[in-house]
Amino acid sequence: EAGVTQSPTHLIKTRGQQATLRCSPISGHTSVYWYQQALGLGLQFLLWYDEGEERNRGNFPPRFSGRQFPNYSSELNVNALELEDSALYLCASTWSGTRNGANVLTFGAGSRLTVL
Amino acid sequence: AQKVTQAQTEISVVEKEDVTLDCVYETRDTTYYLFWYKQPPSGELVFLIRRNSFDEQNEISGRYSWNFQKSTSSFNFTITASQVVDSAVYFCALSELGTGANNLFFGTGTRLTVIP
Repeated sequence: EAGVTQSPTHLIKTRGQQATLRCSPISGHTSVYWYQQALGLGLQFLLWYDEGEERNRGNFPPRFSGRQFPNYSSELNVNALELEDSALYLCASTWSGTRNGANVLTFGAGSRLTVL
Repeated sequence: AQKVTQAQTEISVVEKEDVTLDCVYETRDTTYYLFWYKQPPSGELVFLIRRNSFDEQNEISGRYSWNFQKSTSSFNFTITASQVVDSAVYFCALSELGTGANNLFFGTGTRLTVIP
C-alpha cells in the first residue's frame, strides 16, 4: 500500500513568489492535514480538509490556502512568500471522523520550501 | 488551551544506555489522546503509540515503553538499550476530540543522538 506522497521534495522560491505543494493521501483516507515545521518552532497546524471541505485552519495568515480535490488529494498554496515561510511542510492523512477514538495520522516525507 | 511541553531539546547517550524522553501536557478536555511520533533524518513522522485518557496502563513494545500518569499530566517514553538507529527527533502530541477530531498539537520535539 502506497503511503502519503508529497511533491515536490524540495522547492526554492524568492520573496514575493507563490509556492504550490501537493499531497496524495493513502487510498481510502478522505481527511488531509497540513503542518508547517519551521526551524526551532516544532510542528504547527496549518489546515485540515475533510471530504473536499476546509474544516479548520491554524493561526496562519490568509496567504496560506489550499484545497482538496474530488480524489481527496490536496494542495497547499502559499502566496507572497516571505523568508520566514522557509520550512518543511508535512501532509498527513486519515479516515474521516473518528474510529475508536482519535485516528492515527499517517505522514508524508514533506516538502522542503526555501525562500531566498 | 492545549499545550504539550518537551523540556529536553537534545539528549545524547552512548549506545546500550537507557534513555527517557519527557512529555508534559495541558488540556481541559476529559477525553483526549496522546501520541508519540519519531522523525528520522528522512523527515517522515513515524507513528509509535497512541494512548487515550482513560487508559493509564503502561505499555511496553520491545525496547520501547511508555509511562502515562494523569496525576502529573505526563506521558514519558523510555528506550531501553538504545541503538544508533534510535537517533531521531521524537515528538509527543495531544489530540482533543472536542476541538476537531484528529488534529494533533505537538511538542517541540527532543532530538536524540545515540553515540556508537
